Amino acid sequence: AQTVTQSQPEMSVQEAETVTLSCTYDTSESDYYLFWYKQPPSRQMILVIRQEAYKQQNATENRFSVNFQKAAKSFSLKISDSQLGDAAMYFCAYKYGNQFYFGTGTSLTVIP
Amino acid sequence: GAVVSQHPSRVICKSGTSVKIECRSLDFQATTMFWYRQFPKKSLMLMATSNEGSKATYEQGVEKDKFLINHASLTLSTLTVTSAHPEDSSFYICSARVGGIKETQYFGPGTRLLVL
Repeated sequence: AQTVTQSQPEMSVQEAETVTLSCTYDTSESDYYLFWYKQPPSRQMILVIRQEAYKQQNATENRFSVNFQKAAKSFSLKISDSQLGDAAMYFCAYKYGNQFYFGTGTSLTVIP
Repeated sequence: GAVVSQHPSRVICKSGTSVKIECRSLDFQATTMFWYRQFPKKSLMLMATSNEGSKATYEQGVEKDKFLINHASLTLSTLTVTSAHPEDSSFYICSARVGGIKETQYFGPGTRLLVL
């Protein structure tokens, strides 16, 4: 069974600093997708970044980047130059076939 | 990016009544939509997968007769909570899948249901 684990229920970062959120997953498949979603207090889920498993290059989107370690089944999210608006719940997700699996989330606090 | 709307954003109803929630993909067609339930400070719990033109696939433990899903077109899926009870109070979120090289899910803003 596919599972997604986020071992950090809460994280905090100083404004303008860098923070890394961890995510590991369990799968026997080789071709899948991984995602990070952000859920601010409005509760609207927002796609942050997507990674195709067949791509070795780590995905980046402006201040957001991932460290994708396929053999280790690890998919961490790095947020650089943290901003107050980055404060939110962050969910890691794995997709194979038509199914998406979400982690339990990491609550990120940004300290001014 | 793709936009998914959800209506209503919040609803209060009396116990025993039925409530319909609409999920629309505004600028793309979605053959697959998903319905989730989220409890406070918890992750998303998949309730069912809605496929256009066919019956929804429900997750284990989700009552299909209580949570009726209809995916009548490529841009609209509806969730009807029948004979709602206070324990059905929750935050319901829909999403629409975009396939192909841009594979991802886009989420609606959610519906907060309160059953009195």
